[in-house]
Amino acid sequence: EPEVTQTPSHQVTQMGQEVILRCVPISNHLYFYWYRQILGQKVEFLVSFYNNEISEKSEIFDDQFSVERPDGSNFTLKIRSTKLEDSAMYFCASKIRDSSYYGYTFGSGTRLTVV
Amino acid sequence: GDSVTQMEGPVTLSEEAFLTINCTYTATGYPSLFWYVQYPGEGLQLLLKATKADDKGSNKGFEATYRKETTSFHLEKGSVQVSDSAVYFCALSRTSGTYKYIFGTGTRLKVLA
Repeated sequence: EPEVTQTPSHQVTQMGQEVILRCVPISNHLYFYWYRQILGQKVEFLVSFYNNEISEKSEIFDDQFSVERPDGSNFTLKIRSTKLEDSAMYFCASKIRDSSYYGYTFGSGTRLTVV
Repeated sequence: GDSVTQMEGPVTLSEEAFLTINCTYTATGYPSLFWYVQYPGEGLQLLLKATKADDKGSNKGFEATYRKETTSFHLEKGSVQVSDSAVYFCALSRTSGTYKYIFGTGTRLKVLA
């Protein structure tokens, strides 16, 4: 079964450093998403991406965050200057169509720890 | 705004016990409803879904019925196994405008042999 692949599985970074979280969505999917889950809290929407543009973003997704699809297969989330409160599990997801009828396929997540 | 409320965990059951995990939602219109499962060390996997009122989603012995009158989508399984131990997330998605998910907090299930 096709999978969404995320790397690394765990990243530790110093506060103020830049991090890039990587995702390879399913090849025929067109819609891409990042969600995050702070330990013990809800899974929260960050951003959706289609046709090389952000289609929606949450209030969490401020100027410190950016996404891109640099080469047609990878989908990355960059945090420019990490804060302690960015420590969370980050999930990438993809869908074949942006419809509520279709569920997401999620990756296994990257656990980001900011120290 | 839209929201999903799940019962607090952890839920600990013996093998072959009956499982119910409660989920209620608040949303305008008629959202689609989902249950996702997260096994240890893995991502979120779609377990089942329902896209309109009175629909019943089912998979791997799990069932949930979309109840508009009670705004609920409770997850049930008649006989749990140790391998069902995981975290279960209820989620909704609107059917127009934004399709992003609103998740509940997740309910950890532990099944003892």
